[in-house]
Order: sequence, then C-alpha cells, then structure tokens
Amino acid sequence: GQNIDQPTEMTATEGAIVQINCTYQTSGFNGLFWYQQHAGEAPTFLSYNVLDGLEEKGRFSSFLSRSKGYSYLLLKELQMKDSASYLCAALDSNYQLIWGAGTKLIIKP
Amino acid sequence: GAVVSQHPSWVICKSGTSVKIECRSLDFQATTMFWYRQFPKQSLMLMATSNEGSKATYEQGVEKDKFLINHASLTLSTLTVTSAHPEDSSFYICSARGFRESTEAFFGQGTRLTVV
Repeated sequence: GQNIDQPTEMTATEGAIVQINCTYQTSGFNGLFWYQQHAGEAPTFLSYNVLDGLEEKGRFSSFLSRSKGYSYLLLKELQMKDSASYLCAALDSNYQLIWGAGTKLIIKP
Repeated sequence: GAVVSQHPSWVICKSGTSVKIECRSLDFQATTMFWYRQFPKQSLMLMATSNEGSKATYEQGVEKDKFLINHASLTLSTLTVTSAHPEDSSFYICSARGFRESTEAFFGQGTRLTVV
C-alpha cells in the first residue's frame, strides 16, 4: 500500500530552527510536495522536490532522498506566524497526490 | 502562481437540503480537479477526481449519488452535497492542476459546511 509518515506534532522556539521529517512509500514516485496549512484555511504550496538534494527558498528548505524514501522541511529563524500544519505529499506513478496526515508545528515565544 | 477560487467560503444549511460548492480556476485551464474533505485536526481526504468532460472518479467509501461532481469546463467544477446531514459538516476543499502532470496542486480557499 501507499503510505506517508510524518510526526503528528512538534514544538519549537521563536528564532530557532526546526526540521520536519517525512517518509514515503508509494507505487512509483514523481516528486514530493510540502504545503503549509493554517487552521481553517486551504493548504498553500511551499516546495516541490523530484531530484535528490536540498532546495533552499528563503527561510524554508526542503530535502529529498529518493533511495531512502525520505524528505524533510527545514524552517529557519522561526516566527510566530509559522505556527501551522505542514503537509507532506508524494506524487505516485499515476500522478496522484498521496497526503500525509500533517505535522502541527507549535512555536513558543 | 495560479489562482483557484472556491465559493462559498462558508455555508449553513438545514438537514435534508442540498448545497452546491463551486471551484473555478481563474487564470489557467484545469484539466483535473480534486475534491477533498477535511475533518478537524485530520489530514485532507480525497473524495473524488474529475476530468473535464468526463465522469468523476470517486474514492472508496464516498457516495457518488450523495456528492455530485460536475466538471463541465476547463475552468469550473462543482460539488453538490445532496440531502445533507449533520455528519456531512466539514471543510471541503477543491484543488486544480494544469496540463503538466507534475505541477503543484493549487487550492481553493475551502468551504466550511455546517448542517444543522
């Protein structure tokens, strides 16, 4: 079966760095997405990785290892507004998005 | 990025009535649209996938006669919740993808449905 695993909840301090991990098992693989979702709102796109390595975009970076079926989202210089759920989603061989349950990130002052 | 507009943002309806939710891609042609449901503190649950001009493909456990999906054009898909009941109360979100299969999914704002 297809499966995406990510931690349910994480807590970090304002100004710090946090890494949210995601492991995936899919039928084929055509890339991995990270989305941010604030409570009561629709998800917004953060990143897309299809090749191994690190992609940096401002305070956010995303890493992919296809051989390990592993990705992480790295958030630097955390701000209170970064408190949200972070969803990992993999594209399978049929280009269907398989969603993780999301990681709720709590930022403390 | 591309814009997907979903309407209404929230709706309250009486049990037994039907509610229609619209999803429009404003600046691109969406060959495929997806409808999700999200209960509090849970992840997105795919309900159905619709391709323009053809019948929607429903996920297992989703009643196609209850959740009617129409994708009549490349820019509009609608979800009608028929004979709504309180257990249908949820956050419904549409997303659209363009011609390139690897493109990200662009999400509508979501619709908060409350059935009383």
